[in-house]
Amino acid sequence: EVQLVESGGGLVQPGGSLRLSCAASGFTFSSYAMSWVRQAPGKGLEWVSAISGSGGSTYYADSVKGRFTISRDNSKNTLYLQMNSLRAEDTAVYYCPTKIAAAGAFDIWGQGTMVTVSS
Amino acid sequence: EIVMTQSPATLSVSPGERATLSCRASQSVSSNLAWYQQKPGQAPRLLIYGASTRATGIPARFSGSGSGTEFTLTISSLQSEDFAVYYCQQYNNWPAFGPGTKVDIK
Repeated sequence: EVQLVESGGGLVQPGGSLRLSCAASGFTFSSYAMSWVRQAPGKGLEWVSAISGSGGSTYYADSVKGRFTISRDNSKNTLYLQMNSLRAEDTAVYYCPTKIAAAGAFDIWGQGTMVTVSS
Repeated sequence: EIVMTQSPATLSVSPGERATLSCRASQSVSSNLAWYQQKPGQAPRLLIYGASTRATGIPARFSGSGSGTEFTLTISSLQSEDFAVYYCQQYNNWPAFGPGTKVDIK
């Protein structure tokens, strides 16, 4: 069964850091690009970052560029998001979807992990 | 940057009725358009990709159409489990989602 499980969320103070993880199973992890998408409470979906299957190419939304770093460990089938200089507006559920069988659309999603930035 | 808009923001429909949701892109995205359904406390679920192809396991009452900048999601006969928020998303460029349409019970 194809599965994505996010973890690492929690409460952090403004200016603080947090590292999210996404454990993948049921598919050849290294063959697929991965993304992070977030959803602020009561709001819509926002794409945050993406990384190629090899990890050699990374992409960021302007809202997180310079503060967040996406990476992956293909030997551990795990995706990461290092979040620094966190702001209140980064408060959201963070998902790590991927595109396996739907020609560019996100067909596999995890359950998400909640990040709250507050003093 | 491609901006996605959706209308209406809320659609009130009775069970068994047809629902038509619209999505517009600020510039052409060809057919690189997906639709997702999201229920409270759950992750989004892919319904449609390539503007009109149903994802695996999606019932035939869901259909998508359009290309370029104008797209439509139609639910032919609403079931109780279809009341949810629906998002469109373009993947012709960096992924961008619309603000969503909430389908609630009339």
